[in-house]
Amino acid sequence: DIQMTQSPTSLSASVGDRVTITCRASQNIRNYLNWYQQRPGKAPKLLIYGASSLQSGAPSRFSGSGSGTDFTLTISSLQPEDFTTFYCQQSYSTPFTFGPGTKVDIK
Amino acid sequence: QVQLQESGPGLVKPSETLSLTCTVSGGNITRGSFYWSWIRQTAEKELEWIGRIYTTGSANYNPSLKSRVTISRDTSKNQFSLILTSVTAADTAVYYCARDRFQGGYYFDYWGQGALVTVSS
Repeated sequence: DIQMTQSPTSLSASVGDRVTITCRASQNIRNYLNWYQQRPGKAPKLLIYGASSLQSGAPSRFSGSGSGTDFTLTISSLQPEDFTTFYCQQSYSTPFTFGPGTKVDIK
Repeated sequence: QVQLQESGPGLVKPSETLSLTCTVSGGNITRGSFYWSWIRQTAEKELEWIGRIYTTGSANYNPSLKSRVTISRDTSKNQFSLILTSVTAADTAVYYCARDRFQGGYYFDYWGQGALVTVSS
């Protein structure tokens, strides 16, 4: 199985901050990397697919980059509704695997 | 707008069988280039892909669960189902069904709200 790691595990930030979350795969997954946002008590919601494509309806302050083994999710200006948890997921091969999540909370 | 809704018992005894159904509306599970997946999330918030079924009815599973999992479908009801046998406390989780779309790679674009299943005597 492909192992996914994320850093940091958690971070504290303020509204308006630029935030970057990193995801690393245990092997080359090309650009088969997706990002999800999960609010408490809700299902994960797709933000970015194919490493850098913004899902329809997702705010433009979210962007993704990377290929191979190293990827980043950037939030250009943190909004109050972004204080949630973010997960990366590889779709290069089954079994699909997720990162452990990065929790963003208010500083 | 595609919508998915999980249903099934919220409590299962150890060694027994977990059974959940996902009802899909706004989309036909036999049409298009889609898979229909089951994913679970533990209390520690770890997400685990369980398996999926294609529009043709073929399925594939996570090897870690393969010996205990079956995913099937009822096309007349536009539903797909999860069966997990010989459950233990480690199978306690929120179970999600999701649509698995291919566009330059697979991704889960629609999710159900989730169903909490607790394994306990």
